[in-house]
Amino acid sequence: RKEVEQDPGPFNVPEGATVAFNCTYSNSASQSFFWYRQDCRKEPKLLMSVYSSGNEDGRFTAQLNRASQYISLLIRDSKLSDSATYLCVVTGAYGGATNKLIFGTGTLLAVQP
Amino acid sequence: DAGVIQSPRHEVTEMGQEVTLRCKPISGHDYLFWYRQTMMRGLELLIYFNNNVPIDDSGMPEDRFSAKMPNASFSTLKIQPSEPRDSAVYFCASSLRGRRDTEAFFGQGTRLTVV
Repeated sequence: RKEVEQDPGPFNVPEGATVAFNCTYSNSASQSFFWYRQDCRKEPKLLMSVYSSGNEDGRFTAQLNRASQYISLLIRDSKLSDSATYLCVVTGAYGGATNKLIFGTGTLLAVQP
Repeated sequence: DAGVIQSPRHEVTEMGQEVTLRCKPISGHDYLFWYRQTMMRGLELLIYFNNNVPIDDSGMPEDRFSAKMPNASFSTLKIQPSEPRDSAVYFCASSLRGRRDTEAFFGQGTRLTVV
């Protein structure tokens, strides 16, 4: 089983739609959680951190459920520029190595005009 | 700061040749990561360093792969001999420990093709 698993995608949605991505992780002792975004043929970049209380950044909302080992990302009013691959990332609890980043395989989002 | 710098950006080599990928992390960062990305397997962590010391190399696929970090501003990933299945994009990333939600910054990657 992969350490971090994501929806297979791709997600094809019209502009203005709301879309949700899900992610599960296997190590219950994981400490930090993130969503990264990767544009085609570019490097991954941090989109947002994910906190236990849930957090919002503009049109983006991230949620964490530690009991279920589940992370989600909600994008409201999607834009053409949101088209990218969204990567779920988990760190921590590896012999104290809190900076070890483990990536999911990513979910491709294509926003259609 | 110029960010994480990788070289070369593209590399095409013949099977059996030695390949060396280079990375300059962001100044002051104490963690450095090497990842490999393919369509089939996504982003795989190969090895990472803390303060120039290799911490976990369990992701290195086999003995043909080796990585070094001789100082805080330079790291190499070497493949010898290279094989067609090594074709992938190799990313280097760096981060700074000390913050709970530490961000990793990636270089632009090296696209390796082994023919």
